[in-house]
Amino acid sequence: DSGVTQTPKHLITATGQRVTLRCSPRSGDLSVYWYQQSLDQGLQFLIQYYNGEERAKGNILERFSAQQFPDLHSELNLSSLELGDSALYFCASSVAGQGGWSGELFFGEGSRLTVL
Amino acid sequence: AQKITQTQPGMFVQEKEAVTLDCTYDTSDPSYGLFWYKQPSSGEMIFLIYQGSYDQQNATEGRYSLNFQKARKSANLVISASQLGDSAMYFCAMRGLPSGSARQLTFGSGTQLTVLP
Repeated sequence: DSGVTQTPKHLITATGQRVTLRCSPRSGDLSVYWYQQSLDQGLQFLIQYYNGEERAKGNILERFSAQQFPDLHSELNLSSLELGDSALYFCASSVAGQGGWSGELFFGEGSRLTVL
Repeated sequence: AQKITQTQPGMFVQEKEAVTLDCTYDTSDPSYGLFWYKQPSSGEMIFLIYQGSYDQQNATEGRYSLNFQKARKSANLVISASQLGDSAMYFCAMRGLPSGSARQLTFGSGTQLTVLP
C-alpha cells in the first residue's frame, strides 16, 4: 500500500459526459501528479500541483482540468469525454515540490475510465 | 527535454535465472534521478529502485540492481533469481534534480517480462 488513495477505481461513462477523479496523497506529501496510461500513448504526465498551486503541465487536454485543495487532496476533471479518453489515470505524490531531492513518486492504484 | 527508451517490448526468463532489462535515456539536466517501476497485471505502479546521476555506486535493492553507465546513458535493471511473481511490465523513468528543472517523472514505453516455470 503506497498510501495514495484514488477513487473511483473503475468508472464507465458515455461520450460527451463529465467525470471527476479524486486523489488523496500520502500524509505529509505536498506534491500531487496526474498521469494517464493508455495502450497507444503509454504513461503520459498530465499535471502537477504543489501545495495547492499548479507547478508543471504536461500533455493535458483543454477538456481536462485539475486542482489541489487546502487539505492537499486533488481532483482531475475530464469533460466532453471521447472514446480515446479511455485509460488508466494515476495519481502520485511526493514530499517536496521545490528545492531538495524528494525521491520517488508514490502511485495510487489508478482509476480506470471506460468511455462508451 | 527528457527521453527514456526501452527497446525490449517483451522478455522471457526462466525461473531462478537472472534477467537484464535495458533502458537508455537522454536529458539536458546536469543532475537527474533514474527509477524503475513494476506494474503487475493488477495495474498498480510499484517503485523498485533509484539511482542518482552523481551516485558513485550502482544501486541495489534486494534482488534488484541497477547497472548505471553514465557515459553510455544507460540504466539497465538486473533482476537476479527470477520468480514467477516477477512477471509484470517494467518501466524505466527519470526526473531532473532538484529545483528549476522538470520534477515529474518521464517514463519509457515499458518491457513486459514473463518468467517461465
